[in-house]
Amino acid sequence: EAQVTQNPRYLITVTGKKLTVTCSQNMNHEYMSWYRQDPGLGLRQIYYSMNVEVTDKGDVPEGYKVSRKEKRNFPLILESPSPNQTSLYFCASTLSPGQPQHFGDGTRLSIL
Amino acid sequence: GNSVTQMEGPVTLSEEAFLTINCTYTATGYPSLFWYVQYPGEGLQLLLKATKADDKGSNKGFEATYRKETTSFHLEKGSVQVSDSAVYFCALTTDSWGKLQFGAGTQVVVTP
Repeated sequence: EAQVTQNPRYLITVTGKKLTVTCSQNMNHEYMSWYRQDPGLGLRQIYYSMNVEVTDKGDVPEGYKVSRKEKRNFPLILESPSPNQTSLYFCASTLSPGQPQHFGDGTRLSIL
Repeated sequence: GNSVTQMEGPVTLSEEAFLTINCTYTATGYPSLFWYVQYPGEGLQLLLKATKADDKGSNKGFEATYRKETTSFHLEKGSVQVSDSAVYFCALTTDSWGKLQFGAGTQVVVTP
């Protein structure tokens, strides 16, 4: 089954404790993105990747890092999380620009 | 820059009622337009899309027509069901990397 898998689904943690949200897709897609969803703001892109070792900033990259060492994986790293990063996060992938994106089920992060 | 404006929700309807969710956009170039749906606790799923002016996207009884002259992509369904209760996002892409610009989302609640 074609899917984008995120882990964990839920995480409560404290300010400053490094965390990683994993994302994996099994569709051999080249393009992957991370979004955060906040009430009244819709989804905003954090980072995206066009291929292995090729990443770039989206609209709200501050406080986040990503890496793309393998085509299927695109982890999101919060080196020093802060409460304003409490949000619902989605990973997405697509075969090519202009094509629909496939989304994971989301990761709800709470930073205390 | 690109932007998407959706009508605010929540929109509450009775089963079998007619649904319209307005979406207008501002974009450079010729965007592709999408409607995504998010059911409770899940990620976003593509509902329908249109890639050029006057295209009509349709799926599951929903329809939307790409209107370049009014820069709109309104979503309609003639007879909603309780199972249509969800959050609906209008989105566009003009980016060669496929970045999606989302509206804020409209929550739809259908009551029996």
